[in-house]
Amino acid sequence: QKEVEQDPGPLSVPEGAIVSLNCTYSNSAFQYFMWYRQYSRKGPELLMYTYSSGNKEDGRFTAQVDKSSKYISLFIRDSQPSDSATYLCAFSSGAGSYQLTFGKGTKLSVIP
Amino acid sequence: KAGVTQTPRYLIKTRGQQVTLSCSPISGHRSVSWYQQTPGQGLQFLFEYFSETQRNKGNFPGRFSGRQFSNSRSEMNVSTLELGDSALYLCASSSRPDTQYFGPGTRLTVL
Repeated sequence: QKEVEQDPGPLSVPEGAIVSLNCTYSNSAFQYFMWYRQYSRKGPELLMYTYSSGNKEDGRFTAQVDKSSKYISLFIRDSQPSDSATYLCAFSSGAGSYQLTFGKGTKLSVIP
Repeated sequence: KAGVTQTPRYLIKTRGQQVTLSCSPISGHRSVSWYQQTPGQGLQFLFEYFSETQRNKGNFPGRFSGRQFSNSRSEMNVSTLELGDSALYLCASSSRPDTQYFGPGTRLTVL
């Protein structure tokens, strides 16, 4: 079983749609949960981070964590063409190291 | 605050050569991590340095090494380059486990 599973897509949606991106994980030691956005030929950009189960909202973005099911989600409301990018989930145990374990990324295209 | 900077941005090397990549973290961040990103394997952790000490290492051969200086700047070195080392090498700096900030990366091409 892989430590992190993320559907690579590609995912194509019309402008204004609600986007749902998901990851599952198997490592119970993961305590910190992050979402990154990566545009082509750029470094990943930190979008959302949390360490507790439940929802965290920031503008059009909502991160959701369900530790009991080992499942995290990122929702994007009112999606824009500028949201077209690869979205990566990332996990850390924080135990003695800040090492991140990443999903393979989901490529999102928002069509005008 | 200035972000994470990496130099050089692009490199072309031939098999058997060695290469050194540099990373300057965000001011005040003591942790610097390195990752390799390829289309097939995604983002994979190489190693992390904290206050000049390597405190974690990923599953990469000994040809990959790094160090951190007293000003938190970090370098990574790859010796005896192989074609499979062609990748985007990313540096990330952080001051806590739930927020890591990445630089733009160094794109290494091995011919």
